[in-house]
Amino acid sequence: AQTVTQSQPEMSVQEAETVTLSCTYDTSESNYYLFWYKQPPSRQMILVIRQEAYKQQNATENRFSVNFQKAAKSFSLKISDSQLGDTAMYFCAFTFVDMRFGAGTRLTVKP
Amino acid sequence: GAVVSQHPSRVICKSGTSVKIECRSLDFQATTMFWYRQFPKKSLMLMATSNEGSKATYEQGVEKDKFLINHASLTLSTLTVTSAHPEDSSFYICSARDLATSGVTGELFFGEGSRLTVL
Repeated sequence: AQTVTQSQPEMSVQEAETVTLSCTYDTSESNYYLFWYKQPPSRQMILVIRQEAYKQQNATENRFSVNFQKAAKSFSLKISDSQLGDTAMYFCAFTFVDMRFGAGTRLTVKP
Repeated sequence: GAVVSQHPSRVICKSGTSVKIECRSLDFQATTMFWYRQFPKKSLMLMATSNEGSKATYEQGVEKDKFLINHASLTLSTLTVTSAHPEDSSFYICSARDLATSGVTGELFFGEGSRLTVL
């Protein structure tokens, strides 16, 4: 069974600074997908970034980028130039057949 | 992106009654839909995988007789909480896989969620 671990329950960062959220996972599969989702107070799940396991290049989406280390089964999210609107719960997710989520990290961006 | 609509967004019911939550893919076909449960300040826990035209697959510990899932068409899956009790109060989220793109992206599309309160 696949498991996803987020070891940082809460984090905070000053506006305009950079923060990194950690995620590790466990699987015996070789082809899979990894995601970071944002869940604001509305509780709507918003896709932040996606990484295909067969791609070595780390995914980037504007201020968001990942550090994907397949051998280490690590998938961290870096948020650059943090904005107040980035305040939310962030979930790391693994997909092979279904999607499994980590426990989440509550990120607070401080003005 | 693809849109998944979930209804109702909020529902309050009396203990012992049944409640139905609908999950619709509005602009794509979804052979597979997933139902999650989320407690306050907690993660999304997969309850069951719903495949169109066949019986749902439930995760260990999820009571299939309490949480009835039906996926009768490529755009609609329903979750019925039967004989609801206060401990069933939670936030329920559905998600769907777009048959046309999922093989490339692996992405799921999420509904807005339904908050169930059982009195």
